[in-house]
Amino acid sequence: AQRVTQPEKLLSVFKGAPVELKCNYSYSGSPELFWYVQYSRQRLQLLLRHISRESIKGFTADLNKGETSFHLKKPFAQEEDSAMYYCALSKYSRWRGSTLGRLYFGRGTQLTVWP
Amino acid sequence: DAGVIQSPRHEVTEMGQEVTLRCKPISGHNSLFWYRQTMMRGLELLIYFNNNVPIDDSGMPEDRFSAKMPNASFSTLKIQPSEPRDSAVYFCASRAGTGPSSYGYTFGSGTRLTVV
Repeated sequence: AQRVTQPEKLLSVFKGAPVELKCNYSYSGSPELFWYVQYSRQRLQLLLRHISRESIKGFTADLNKGETSFHLKKPFAQEEDSAMYYCALSKYSRWRGSTLGRLYFGRGTQLTVWP
Repeated sequence: DAGVIQSPRHEVTEMGQEVTLRCKPISGHNSLFWYRQTMMRGLELLIYFNNNVPIDDSGMPEDRFSAKMPNASFSTLKIQPSEPRDSAVYFCASRAGTGPSSYGYTFGSGTRLTVV
């Protein structure tokens, strides 16, 4: 069965410090992984997608299949990075000839960046 | 594009009352998802639709919960009767395409439900 684990519920760092939000997954297929961010009382927004291998707002995430991890990193945290971060895995299944995907989310990590 | 639109933004109701949450997905998106967010459980998928057809409703907690998608531009999540433990933020999300080449979900702003 698929599972996404974010071991840290809360994470605090000072402005300018490096930050790493951990995400581990279990999935028997080829994973497609995402990071979503939710700023205070706002909607979830897509931050990163592992396939695109991009850097958004200074954040990067590398898929490590050997360690089944997809940790989110930023070398210098900013106060505006304070938010809830969710790691998610997309699972695909066949239904009536179509391939359908659904996201499984981790429990989330609340990041606080202190001034 | 106005994005995924949910209404109401906030709902306070008394235990036992019926609650209906509404969602308008992005035009052209053919998958729609209902999630519930709580401190204890994080984000839980309740049900999702593809081309207006319910694909997986195994996340719907009880028979008190029901969801419909009568057309491609509208979905409802109904709780009847509501209970205090249903208090949560309910998110709707939509997605274009279905397979691995499609992009991530677009979420609505959520409905904060409080059952007293």
